[in-house]
Amino acid sequence: GAVVSQHPSWVICKSGTSVKIECRSLDFQATTMFWYRQFPKQSLMLMATSNEGSKATYEQGVEKDKFLINHASLTLSTLTVTSAHPEDSSFYICSARVYRASEQYFGPGTRLTVT
Amino acid sequence: GQQVMQIPQYQHVQEGEDFTTYCNSSTTLSNIQWYKQRPGGHPVFLIQLVKSGEVKKQKRLTFQFGEAKKNSSLHITATQTTDVGTYFCAGHFDTGRRALTFGSGTRLQVQP
Repeated sequence: GAVVSQHPSWVICKSGTSVKIECRSLDFQATTMFWYRQFPKQSLMLMATSNEGSKATYEQGVEKDKFLINHASLTLSTLTVTSAHPEDSSFYICSARVYRASEQYFGPGTRLTVT
Repeated sequence: GQQVMQIPQYQHVQEGEDFTTYCNSSTTLSNIQWYKQRPGGHPVFLIQLVKSGEVKKQKRLTFQFGEAKKNSSLHITATQTTDVGTYFCAGHFDTGRRALTFGSGTRLQVQP
């Protein structure tokens, strides 16, 4: 149980284009989903917290107009990187949490490369 | 700001040796969680500690939460090559913030 999927697993895009990453909880309903960014051999940096049906809460320094997050249902959250630049290249990981539980279940991650 | 630090950053051990990673928070945590990330993989939840002074064991892994709820440790007895990966602690601060704050991680390499 508690499986989270992400799609795509990797993507290469050209500078200036937008990329959408999907995060789904497959066998449970996730009231809260989190989006992280991870650079090689570094820790996870929280970008934003999203709750179903409401606006995401962004961490300080994360541009909400650049990283659009939509949590349309209890099983799906999307992250759209708009007008991507090479410095946006990174490993993006989502996680999901069940209501009233505190542990998080992570998706397999999406490796984004912007050329 | 509220931070969670981990030491060491990296440890290389011979198979069969023990390993310990330490996690320290700048302020009191309401709970501490531990995750393992294999190379190329994603973090996987290992355990959660909630009570002051709590100790939990999972086979060769022993987890401790400090009395002041500001530090924690993970100890692996007799490491195996399957233990390779990065171990992260992560905690919720007493402020009620829903998001976890992750430590910097300890990367473990085990030499067969």
